[in-house]
Amino acid sequence: TQLLEQSPQFLSIQEGENLTVYCNSSSVFSSLQWYRQEPGEGPVLLVTVVTGGEVKKLKRLTFQFGDARKDSSLHITAAQPGDTGLYLCAGRNFGNEKLTFGTGTRLTIIP
Amino acid sequence: NAGVTQTPKFQVLKTGQSMTLQCAQDMNHEYMSWYRQDPGMGLRLIHYSVGAGITDQGEVPNGYNVSRSTTEDFPLRLLSAAPSQTSVYFCASRYQGGNTGELFFGEGSRLTVL
Repeated sequence: TQLLEQSPQFLSIQEGENLTVYCNSSSVFSSLQWYRQEPGEGPVLLVTVVTGGEVKKLKRLTFQFGDARKDSSLHITAAQPGDTGLYLCAGRNFGNEKLTFGTGTRLTIIP
Repeated sequence: NAGVTQTPKFQVLKTGQSMTLQCAQDMNHEYMSWYRQDPGMGLRLIHYSVGAGITDQGEVPNGYNVSRSTTEDFPLRLLSAAPSQTSVYFCASRYQGGNTGELFFGEGSRLTVL
């Protein structure tokens, strides 16, 4: 079973600050996705990265796929209370339909 | 649009009881899967299916059975519930093939086994 470790596990910061969440593995992935989950709901896809070194931006969120396709990061600029939630990375192997999820980062933005 | 529908949302069982968590999707997705979510462990794959009549095991399949008789439905059965199966269960589906497909989740079913 491959492992996707996310860090930090918990993060609580003030509104307006910047933050970075990391997703690391010893395995190589064909693609990596980031999901956000709010209480009482299922995860919702934020982004998919496919190419090593790829950077994608979604408003104040910047996602990067590592050059070796083993890791990824999520950077949030000027965090807002609406960013609060559980952030999950998920990787897919080449030729495999299964999606392996990371351990999750629970983010709280304090107004 | 209904998307992925799970029932029930909450269930309390006694050890040894059996039950079925229902999952239905109306998006004509070939791929369907069941995950369990426990604190600090993210989502762990229980079973998945790439089409009607085809199922396969995920990371934590023990104690769970699945079947896929139609494209729309993918029920998860607990034959003899154990306290270790207390968790939140999510059903998810997507189109088959490629490596960028979005996984659509239901709202979850919270199961407590006493």
